[in-house]
Amino acid sequence: LAKTTQPISMDSYEGQEVNITCSHNNIATNDYITWYQQFPSQGPRFIIQGYKTKVTNEVASLFIPADRKSSTLSLPRVSLSDTAVYYCLVGDLNTGFQKLVFGTGTRLLVSP
Amino acid sequence: EAGVAQSPRYKIIEKRQSVAFWCNPISGHATLYWYQQILGQGPKLLIQFQNNGVVDDSQLPKDRFSAERLKGVDSTLKIQPAKLEDSAVYLCASSLFRDAYEQYFGPGTRLTVT
Repeated sequence: LAKTTQPISMDSYEGQEVNITCSHNNIATNDYITWYQQFPSQGPRFIIQGYKTKVTNEVASLFIPADRKSSTLSLPRVSLSDTAVYYCLVGDLNTGFQKLVFGTGTRLLVSP
Repeated sequence: EAGVAQSPRYKIIEKRQSVAFWCNPISGHATLYWYQQILGQGPKLLIQFQNNGVVDDSQLPKDRFSAERLKGVDSTLKIQPAKLEDSAVYLCASSLFRDAYEQYFGPGTRLTVT
């Protein structure tokens, strides 16, 4: 199971772009990178997943360099409602991400 | 599409008392998970069901925690007797497939043990 390292917290202002980087130096060939978002008083929510290069959906973009030892979740033009904890998970789709082992995540605070 | 339902949302009990939580997964989801989330930490898997069978309960404190999923739909998680360190949010999640990376979580039950 690849270990992930994320910043404990980040601060931003409304309208800014936020980039949260996750380090996973021991990522295996078959591993995918998945990000979850958790708002206060709610359960986590899947937001994006990728294997290499760039993935974009309506919520975020995920950038993965060629060596795949890190990944960056990009949130464009954040609003107050993006204040949440963001979790980076790495695992093999075929083995179910080791049952989704969550770390402590990155706590993002968006201010007006 | 209705999400994962959990009840109650909040519960306060004294140590050594018992408590039960209920979960109704998304319709058609065969896999159901119970997680424990202590304040400031990420969720930790307690038990996973595939239909009404247990797939993984390796992190469930079986001396005090029990869970069941009758008829492969709703599930209950019970703690008896509760300890102070059981204070946490208990999250239920479900997924279409076993060991899915995309799981759908309920709002959780916040348990306070005094």
